[in-house]
Amino acid sequence: AIRMTQSPSSFSASTGDRVTITCRASQGISSYLAWYQQKPGKAPKLLIYAASTLQSGVPSRFSGSGSGTDFTLTISCLQSEDFATYYCQQYYSYPPYTFGQGTKLEIK
Amino acid sequence: EVQLVESGGGLVQPGGSLRLSCAASGFTFSSYEMNWVRQAPGKGLEWVSYISSSGSTIYYADSVKGRFTISRDNAKNSLYLQMNSLRAEDTAVYYCARDNGIADYFQHWGQGTLVTVSS
Repeated sequence: AIRMTQSPSSFSASTGDRVTITCRASQGISSYLAWYQQKPGKAPKLLIYAASTLQSGVPSRFSGSGSGTDFTLTISCLQSEDFATYYCQQYYSYPPYTFGQGTKLEIK
Repeated sequence: EVQLVESGGGLVQPGGSLRLSCAASGFTFSSYEMNWVRQAPGKGLEWVSYISSSGSTIYYADSVKGRFTISRDNAKNSLYLQMNSLRAEDTAVYYCARDNGIADYFQHWGQGTLVTVSS
């Protein structure tokens, strides 16, 4: 199974900050990577697929990049509603589909 | 509007069984692959099972293989997960999730149903 590793696992930031979350795959996955946002008590929400394609309705301050084994999710100007947990997921090789362990973004 | 509504969760003793359902609406259910994804309390997301649009192809995570059975009824726009021989480590919120029709990321999710395995 392909292992997905996110970093950091958690960190604090302030509204208006630019933040970057990293996701690394244990083997190459081309661009078959998705990013999700999850708020407490809610279902995950798709943000980005194909590593860099923004899901319809997602604010343009979110962006994704990378291919192969290294990927990033960037939020250009943090808003209060962006404080949440973020997960990456590979869909290149399955089963199983695998997720990163999550990155919890907290208010500083 | 795509809607996925899970039901059937609850408290069950170790070794017991439970059947989860996911009612789909707002799209042509029979055209889409479906999945179950779970999340243990305070933990991350874990994919559980996949079923193709026709039901002819099925996958399971190793952690549930031989104990869980995924199925679907396209006439009823419904997805199911039969869970047998439940263990404490199966305690989680279970989400049904739909792909986008082409690639296997999870475009739509239900609200989840909580399964608690405890004596």
